[in-house]
Amino acid sequence: EDKVVQSPLSLVVHEGDTVTLNCSYEVTNFRSLLWYKQEKKAPTFLFMLTSSGIEKKSGRLSSILDKKELSSILNITATQTGDSAIYLCAVSPMNYGGSQGNLIFGKGTKLSVKP
Amino acid sequence: SAVISQKPSRDICQRGTSLTIQCQVDSQVTMMFWYRQQPGQSLTLIATANQGSEATYESGFVIDKFPISRPNLTFSTLTVSNLSPEDSSIYLCSTGTSGGSVQYFGPGTRLTVT
Repeated sequence: EDKVVQSPLSLVVHEGDTVTLNCSYEVTNFRSLLWYKQEKKAPTFLFMLTSSGIEKKSGRLSSILDKKELSSILNITATQTGDSAIYLCAVSPMNYGGSQGNLIFGKGTKLSVKP
Repeated sequence: SAVISQKPSRDICQRGTSLTIQCQVDSQVTMMFWYRQQPGQSLTLIATANQGSEATYESGFVIDKFPISRPNLTFSTLTVSNLSPEDSSIYLCSTGTSGGSVQYFGPGTRLTVT
């Protein structure tokens, strides 16, 4: 059964700290790994990773995929209170014919950044 | 990315009733999905809404409980029928591009069943 496991499940830090969130997966026919940020209800897209070792970066957030280890990390440097959210990792398996299929989500890491 | 709206934003419903959630996209999209997020849990795919054909349901979800319509390429509805407190969740629709992995989500509907 395909699955995505995130750790830690929750994390409390202070503003200015650097955090690393982990995601590991088991999926047949891996296509890509995605990170989302969920603040209230709607997850917002952060990154998509398809190639191992390539870092995706956006401001203070960055992410790397390790296809050998079947894992990914999301780093946030110089955290701010606005970074408080649930960070979701999802894997997209390749469907028959290469068409888009569903995303398999982990349970998320709840990050709380205190002032 | 497409702009997605959902109605209602939230609702409180009585046990045994039904709720229909609407999802509207500002452009034509091939793929539309419906997810459920139960309290403290992650997102679980309910079904893929196919335009012009019946929805494709994931294991554990059935059409009688979660009927879906997809009358055109910009609109879909999900009905949650015969509500029970276990149906209290956030329901999310999402869209994606054909051949792509990224899905973009609507603002969600928070359903509470009393």
